[in-house]
Amino acid sequence: EAQVTQNPRYLITVTGKKLTVTCSQNMNHEYMSWYRQDPGLGLRQIYYSMNVEVTDKGDVPEGYKVSRKEKRNFPLILESPSPNQTSLYFCASGSYRVGEFDTQYFGPGTRLTVL
Amino acid sequence: TQLLEQSPQFLSIQEGENLTVYCNSSSVFSSLQWYRQEPGEGPVLLVTVVTGGEVKKLKRLTFQFGDARKDSSLHITAAQPGDTGLYLCAGSDYKLSFGAGTTVTVRA
Repeated sequence: EAQVTQNPRYLITVTGKKLTVTCSQNMNHEYMSWYRQDPGLGLRQIYYSMNVEVTDKGDVPEGYKVSRKEKRNFPLILESPSPNQTSLYFCASGSYRVGEFDTQYFGPGTRLTVL
Repeated sequence: TQLLEQSPQFLSIQEGENLTVYCNSSSVFSSLQWYRQEPGEGPVLLVTVVTGGEVKKLKRLTFQFGDARKDSSLHITAAQPGDTGLYLCAGSDYKLSFGAGTTVTVRA
């Protein structure tokens, strides 16, 4: 079954405690991205990756890091989480041609609370 | 500031009524996508429109891409409770930009 998996689904942590949210896809997609979703703001892109070892900043990259060492995995790292990073996070993967995106497949989401 | 403005933000209607959701931008997009998101899940693609003026139908859902490729609309005919959800539009150029979404509630 084609899918994007994220772990954990729910996480409560404290300010400053490093955490990683994993993302894995089994569709051999080159393009992967991370979004955060906040009420009234829609989905805002944090980072994206066009291929292995190629990552770039999205609209709201501050406080986040990513890596793309393998095609299927795209972890999101919060080195020192702060309460304003409390949000619902989605990983997505899909195909991309210059200027055009095919279907983006989203993971089930990770609800993060930073106290 | 959202690159894509969706209206209305909330919409509550009775089963059987029709509804239209709008997605507007000052930017031109090479294509535009509509997604539906249900509580506790990630967005799921409904349709991609590519050509200015294009109209696509998906059962009771009709999607239109503006002639100038800056705006789009989603029309649902005879809405059903199963249509309830958050509808998101996303414009594609060198990146995919999402609107804030329209929350649709269809009451039985």
